[in-house]
Amino acid sequence: DTAVSQTPKYLVTQMGNDKSIKCEQNLGHDTMYWYKQDSKKFLKIMFSYNNKELIINETVPNRFSPKSPDKAHLNLHINSLELGDSAVYFCASSRETQYFGPGTRLLVL
Amino acid sequence: SQKIEQNSEALNIQEGKTATLTCNYTNYSPAYLQWYRQDPGRGPVFLLLIRENEKEKRKERLKVTFDTTLKQSLFHITASQPADSATYLCALVTGSARQLTFGSGTQLTVLP
Repeated sequence: DTAVSQTPKYLVTQMGNDKSIKCEQNLGHDTMYWYKQDSKKFLKIMFSYNNKELIINETVPNRFSPKSPDKAHLNLHINSLELGDSAVYFCASSRETQYFGPGTRLLVL
Repeated sequence: SQKIEQNSEALNIQEGKTATLTCNYTNYSPAYLQWYRQDPGRGPVFLLLIRENEKEKRKERLKVTFDTTLKQSLFHITASQPADSATYLCALVTGSARQLTFGSGTQLTVLP
């Protein structure tokens, strides 16, 4: 009974490619998030959606575009991948406290 | 500028002792503060939440304090066990969107 799931778990790709990471939650939460955790383990919010509406959009390159087809899903599409995009990306959902997915480890070569 | 600082990157303690982790913040007015645990290769897991009008919260061997005057939260694990070894993150909740802003974490190692 996974609460927040992400696919894929690992993603290795070449610079310049476009890739997507999918996230689904079965908790019935209205709010979902994407975070980036860098090599120093610092966890930083990227986007937040509430009821499919974008409510937080931190300073993130335009190459990153979130898409929420419904309340249970928040996908992250990344265009023209760069070396600096290598990190672990976490999806989360919340009512008051946040439930995190297992993370997607992205390595850009 | 806004900052959240956790006392040290790494903390080693002996099994059975009390671990105390510190979270200090500047230029924030958080509605509440949360503590999370993160194990290697996994996402953070929620532990405790404390509101601005609460001084202390407890859950089993865990205790959190919140001093909005000092702008500090302390996180205690009593009777620590090797299984408590993990990275502990504090997070401030601010704004109408209830945005979480995380500290950099403290890696706790409990030595047997």
